[in-house]
Amino acid sequence: DSGVTQTPKHLITATGQRVTLRCSPRSGDLSVYWYQQSLDQGLQFLIQYYNGEERAKGNILERFSAQQFPDLHSELNLSSLELGDSALYFCASSVDPGEGGELFFGEGSRLTVL
Amino acid sequence: GESVGLHLPTLSVQEGDNSIINCAYSNSASDYFIWYKQESGKGPQFIIDIRSNMDKRQGQRVTVLLNKTVKHLSLQIAATQPGDSAVYFCAELDSGYSTLTFGKGTMLLVSP
Repeated sequence: DSGVTQTPKHLITATGQRVTLRCSPRSGDLSVYWYQQSLDQGLQFLIQYYNGEERAKGNILERFSAQQFPDLHSELNLSSLELGDSALYFCASSVDPGEGGELFFGEGSRLTVL
Repeated sequence: GESVGLHLPTLSVQEGDNSIINCAYSNSASDYFIWYKQESGKGPQFIIDIRSNMDKRQGQRVTVLLNKTVKHLSLQIAATQPGDSAVYFCAELDSGYSTLTFGKGTMLLVSP
């Protein structure tokens, strides 16, 4: 158990809908990362937050947004969903990105868009 | 569990063999590298890391080798066990950006 909790584990929805994925980082970790994993793209970095502030942005679509709350949990919002958004979405956390790259991953949220 | 990828390079070995998984990285400015293991239905799990000022680091049954000249990283697993079956990812970090970039992954299948 990595200490990172993600909900929901599975989600099935229709095209055009909006969903929110939730992540609770490990206790004491200030940095939260979101990754998308699909069959043909591997693990793609989406966005990083550090202590409530956006720190880095990767290949995140404009239809997607995220935030980190004062209690350090984070939410990833996916809107106007398309079939191609079906993927595993992972949240990871670390103490401080400046200390190195060891990230602790949750078990992921499997999104299926029909 | 669910498969994490159907189009990954696959390495098949027998239990007890030594396994070598290779990775080519792209950013010559990367100065920190990590190997992750992802079992079916789970998130990636840290195995071992190495900084760019080293060329070899050993852990328990695992060794990582770094060749900066050709931008190549390898993970050696000694006495491979069925529980080692998983997808293995290398990841690189350019500390100027503080985010990890993952490689495509290699599936390791260990037969008893």
